[in-house]
Amino acid sequence: DGGITQSPKYLFRKEGQNVTLSCEQNLNHDAMYWYRQDPGQGLRLIYYSQIVNDFQKGDIAEGYSGSREKKESFPLTVTSAQKNPTAFYLCASSIAGGPGSEAFFGQGTRLTVV
Amino acid sequence: AQSVTQLDSHVSVSEGTPVLLRCNYSSSYSPSLFWYVQHPNKGLQLLLKYTSAATLVKGINGFEAEFKKSETSFHLTKPSAHMSDAAEYFCVVSDKLNTGFQKLVFGTGTRLLVSP
Repeated sequence: DGGITQSPKYLFRKEGQNVTLSCEQNLNHDAMYWYRQDPGQGLRLIYYSQIVNDFQKGDIAEGYSGSREKKESFPLTVTSAQKNPTAFYLCASSIAGGPGSEAFFGQGTRLTVV
Repeated sequence: AQSVTQLDSHVSVSEGTPVLLRCNYSSSYSPSLFWYVQHPNKGLQLLLKYTSAATLVKGINGFEAEFKKSETSFHLTKPSAHMSDAAEYFCVVSDKLNTGFQKLVFGTGTRLLVSP
């Protein structure tokens, strides 16, 4: 089955620790995205990648890092510098970043800082 | 920059009655607009999209939306609600960056509650 796989589904982290969220797609899409979802705020863009080896900051990139070394993989690291990391994180991909391009989403990772 | 406003944070309907979820957009050019649905603790699924073709767009599960440029609206409707429609719905507009790349801008969501 083609799709986007995020792992793990639930993740707990102690304050001060970095943690990496995994996102893999087998849709052969060039563009990939990371969003953060908080209650009542919709989805906000953290990072995006137009093509392999491209990596661009979105609207709320502070405290996050990542890379796009392979077309099918787009990991996101939540660093200890992120002041409020508890949230639901969604990875998405699209064929290309042109107008009208539909984004396909993974099932999300819920990160909780304990 | 493009933006969307979802006018209701919650909408409650009875099963079998019509659904109306309201969305207004702000765009300096002809926009691409989407509606996505999210069930609890799940990813988002595309319901429908408008990309400057027909102004009445039909989507999955009996949903449709009408693009009205004069009102800058893209409201989502369904003639008869089903219990399985209970979810959160997001109105989305595409925003074109300087590079020509598209960024999706999400509304804050409308939670649809369906009672028996």
